[in-house]
Amino acid sequence: ETGVTQTPRHLVMGMTNKKSLKCEQHLGHNAMYWYKQSAKKPLELMFVYNFKEQTENNSVPSRFSPECPNSSHLFLHLHTLQPEDSALYLCASSRHEGRATGNSPLHFGNGTRLTVT
Amino acid sequence: AQSVTQLDSQVPVFEEAPVELRCNYSSSVSVYLFWYVQYPNQGLQLLLKYLSGSTLVKGINGFEAEFNKSQTSFHLRKPSVHISDTAEYFCAVTDTGGFKTIFGAGTRLFVKA
Repeated sequence: ETGVTQTPRHLVMGMTNKKSLKCEQHLGHNAMYWYKQSAKKPLELMFVYNFKEQTENNSVPSRFSPECPNSSHLFLHLHTLQPEDSALYLCASSRHEGRATGNSPLHFGNGTRLTVT
Repeated sequence: AQSVTQLDSQVPVFEEAPVELRCNYSSSVSVYLFWYVQYPNQGLQLLLKYLSGSTLVKGINGFEAEFNKSQTSFHLRKPSVHISDTAEYFCAVTDTGGFKTIFGAGTRLFVKA
């Protein structure tokens, strides 16, 4: 089992559906992230949580709603998405002690391939 | 704000040849530098990182990178590539005080037999 597990691996949804992506990390990390990976574009940071508190919301549309009930679990709730939201959604975690320090590498899950029809 | 530019979107190379994947960054603050690799249908995994000290850092799978502060570059190199190195490679920077990692657009390395 990988350190960061994402489910489902693939998701097809209509624009009026509501679905959720799940991420779980087994590494004892305290920070968790959602990234969006679209073809031919850099990874886009969406949300950051540190010790369950949201520390970053990178101007993400409200049709994406994150939830972090504890340091091991992260959800991304989806509703009324658009076709341009089709992408690979990657969850990552990292370990920080005390003040945020950027020297901790990210550990990624294998992603959820989302297709919006 | 930081930014990362990977100068080549695709790099084809023959097996056992050397390769260099180029990365330049810009930042108004001190940063840490990373290279990640993504194999098909997988997430990203860390290849190597530069935090401080020696400017030449070695990573997994025989890769190494050199930090050049004056040229704001962090190019990735391998002296002899294998077919199994075919993947997408991402350069990334993180400011020393935060959680925000900024990625380049990626370079697809294609190793031919």
